[in-house]
Amino acid sequence: AQSVSQHNHHVILSEAASLELGCNYSYGGTVNLFWYVQYPGQHLQLLLKYFSGDPLVKGIKGFEAEFIKSKFSFNLRKPSVQWSDTAEYFCAVKEYSGAGSYQLTFGKGTKLSVIP
Amino acid sequence: SQTIHQWPATLVQPVGSPLSLECTVEGTSNPNLYWYRQAAGRGLQLLFYSVGIGQISSEVPQNLSASRPQDRQFILSSKKLLLSDSGFYLCAWSVDRGLRNIQYFGAGTRLSVL
Repeated sequence: AQSVSQHNHHVILSEAASLELGCNYSYGGTVNLFWYVQYPGQHLQLLLKYFSGDPLVKGIKGFEAEFIKSKFSFNLRKPSVQWSDTAEYFCAVKEYSGAGSYQLTFGKGTKLSVIP
Repeated sequence: SQTIHQWPATLVQPVGSPLSLECTVEGTSNPNLYWYRQAAGRGLQLLFYSVGIGQISSEVPQNLSASRPQDRQFILSSKKLLLSDSGFYLCAWSVDRGLRNIQYFGAGTRLSVL
């Protein structure tokens, strides 16, 4: 079964600092990769996704993520965070789980607190 | 456009009471539907998913059950709640595009069992 590891439970940054949130997965086959974000009091929403092609994908609000297949990683980055980026971030991996179905597995999430 | 509705937003129930959480999707037909539980520090855990009316797959054996009485309606139930059922429950939908499908989430229901 797939497992998804997010290395940091809680990250605290000052505004304008650079951000990198780690995500590693265990399955070595074909996967699709996602980052979801949950702002305080709001529902979970898709931040960016990787299906194929350029391993550097850009999402909304200046976020980007790089898929490194050899490292089984899909780290999320932003050059300069803002207070409004305070949220919980979830990495998720989709793989084929057999019998025509696909399993989406989430990491435990990383809380990001940005201090003005 | 497609929308997903979950209710109630917040629920406080005593131990041993029944539960019924409802999720409906609008603007699409024959969606895949999912129930997740989000516990603090434990991420999202898939509880059930459904690829069609009356078709329910359970991922984790537990005190909960799910039903899909209509194409765009997904219900999470329990006959007797346990303290450990407290958590944040999320419904999601997707259009089946296999490996490339994207799941879209509802606003969630925060359940407190006392």
